[in-house]
Amino acid sequence: DVKVTQSSRYLVKRTGEKVFLECVQDMDHENMFWYRQDPGLGLRLIYFSYDVKMKEKGDIPEGYSVSREKKERFSLILESASTNQTSMYLCASSKLPTHFPNEQFFGPGTRLTVL
Amino acid sequence: RKEVEQDPGPFNVPEGATVAFNCTYSNSASQSFFWYRQDCRKEPKLLMSVYSSGNEDGRFTAQLNRASQYISLLIRDSKLSDSATYLCVVSHMNYGGSQGNLIFGKGTKLSVKP
Repeated sequence: DVKVTQSSRYLVKRTGEKVFLECVQDMDHENMFWYRQDPGLGLRLIYFSYDVKMKEKGDIPEGYSVSREKKERFSLILESASTNQTSMYLCASSKLPTHFPNEQFFGPGTRLTVL
Repeated sequence: RKEVEQDPGPFNVPEGATVAFNCTYSNSASQSFFWYRQDCRKEPKLLMSVYSSGNEDGRFTAQLNRASQYISLLIRDSKLSDSATYLCVVSHMNYGGSQGNLIFGKGTKLSVKP
């Protein structure tokens, strides 16, 4: 069974704090993704990575950075948290699309509240 | 125009009903199509892929119309356990940095009542 784990289910931080969200997958997947999900807006891609030390901006990268030092681990960093970053953060992983379909496996999510 | 559009619902149906969800996508270069299911307070999970010829998995049938850029999901004999949000998802197989990226619709909420 593919497993994607995230470091926290719930997190409460204060405005201006630096926040680290960790994601680990155990299926040797090349691709890893960070999304945020907000009511009425759906899932929005923040950053993705298709290899160690590689990263690409998604649709809403502003205010975020990422780190992929090891294949199994993809970290999302909020350099200075703001209240508009209160959201559900979902990590996902997938294999390179060498075959169809290219399923993404999601972690359970981290609900971040910034006060 | 949003890249993937769905009716947000909610669809409230009785057990045993047949319900259909529709989805349109704007990018004609889209190559892969999926339906994901997301239970309340849970992560999305792949329900089924959508093939050009249409495909069926038990009570679930998915259809793709490339000419109209339209995807559908039909659920027959609805069960209480079908209550969830159904996400329409498309993928562009762009090579290079965006391999494997999925574009998610906002989802259609289904509530099956006894």
